Amino acid sequence: RKEVEQDPGPFNVPEGATVAFNCTYSNSASQSFFWYRQDCRKEPKLLMSVYSSGNEDGRFTAQLNRASQYISLLIRDSKLSDSATYLCVVILNTGGFKTIFGAGTRLFVKA
Amino acid sequence: DAGITQSPRHKVTETGTPVTLRCHQTENHRYMYWYRQDPGHGLRLIHYSYGVKDTDKGEVSDGYSVSRSKTEDFLLTLESATSSQTSVYFCAISPHGDSYEQYFGPGTRLTVT
Repeated sequence: RKEVEQDPGPFNVPEGATVAFNCTYSNSASQSFFWYRQDCRKEPKLLMSVYSSGNEDGRFTAQLNRASQYISLLIRDSKLSDSATYLCVVILNTGGFKTIFGAGTRLFVKA
Repeated sequence: DAGITQSPRHKVTETGTPVTLRCHQTENHRYMYWYRQDPGHGLRLIHYSYGVKDTDKGEVSDGYSVSRSKTEDFLLTLESATSSQTSVYFCAISPHGDSYEQYFGPGTRLTVT
């Protein structure tokens, strides 16, 4: 089983739609969680950190469920510019530092 | 803009040759990282540094070495390149070590023939 798993998609949605991505992780000692977006042939860019209490940034909402070991990203009112690959990231720093990236979920937003 | 540059941006080299990739930052951040990205694998950590001359291995460190003699530069060396090291290499910095947020450079596309 992979340490971090994401549905690879692709998700094809119309503009204005709401879309949700989930990411599961296997190590309960995981400490920090993030969502990144990556455009084709570009570097990953930090989208948002994920906190247990949930956090929102404009149209984006991230949630962490430690009991079930998953994080989620909700995008409301999708824009064409949201088309990208979304990567979830889990950090462990117990007994050695580890950054674990999911393989990414591809999103296409269409007019 | 996290002020990170990588050089070269593209390189083609032959199997068995040494290759060094450079990551340069302008903000004097303490933490720096090297990743590789391959289809279907996501990014994988090769090595990281938590200060000048302080480095440690990531999950895919075999065949790679690093050096950090100045805060602003983190070098990744492939001592003898192999075709399995064909990949896109990203450097990252972490402005706040405690929060683990990382910001990435533009990447180096390396092809080993």
